[in-house]
Amino acid sequence: GQQLNQSPQSMFIQEGEDVSMNCTSSSIFNTWLWYKQDPGEGPVLLIALYKAGELTSNGRLTAQFGITRKDSFLNISASIPSDVGIYFCAGQQVQGAQKLVFGQGTRLTINP
Amino acid sequence: DAGITQSPRHKVTETGTPVTLRCHQTENHRYMYWYRQDPGHGLRLIHYSYGVKDTDKGEVSDGYSVSRSKTEDFLLTLESATSSQTSVYFCAAAGGAGQPQHFGDGTRLSIL
Repeated sequence: GQQLNQSPQSMFIQEGEDVSMNCTSSSIFNTWLWYKQDPGEGPVLLIALYKAGELTSNGRLTAQFGITRKDSFLNISASIPSDVGIYFCAGQQVQGAQKLVFGQGTRLTINP
Repeated sequence: DAGITQSPRHKVTETGTPVTLRCHQTENHRYMYWYRQDPGHGLRLIHYSYGVKDTDKGEVSDGYSVSRSKTEDFLLTLESATSSQTSVYFCAAAGGAGQPQHFGDGTRLSIL
């Protein structure tokens, strides 16, 4: 099935560092979503992007909807221990039943 | 709190037995989805529903069936469980067009 290319697959950083991850696709999406998943829990929505070129922040998180509508970026500034987890991007084609296509995830580990 | 409850949270069963997983939502969302999450594959869509009694197949639907007799409940059934269906299953729900999906906390299913 269709999947997004999410990179990097894993990151090992020091507390306080900034983090960047991205997703690319060969298909155009009308909506880009970023989720975070903690162990034993379901993905939690962090940021939703609805317009090409849109830049949206949620606290220390900033995400952008690429102008080509085929990519998106997530940045985390000044990382803290609770940022540890797996981050997923998802593209949504707003037609039919709003199905999502997910990236493989970026596993973030923070060294104290 | 997305108001999505999955039950059971954990289940161990034997090959060949029927299994039903339940998803219950309290937000009156129109769309509901079942995913499975496996290492190396990310989240893959099994079945989805776009209204009461309206369901359709996702990318990995073989061996699974669903039913939605009420807005708030979406059931996933494995008619005859196989070891390849050992996975973590997530339910999600979304409101109207363009609304992001919100996830439950998952059911860990082991088939021996």
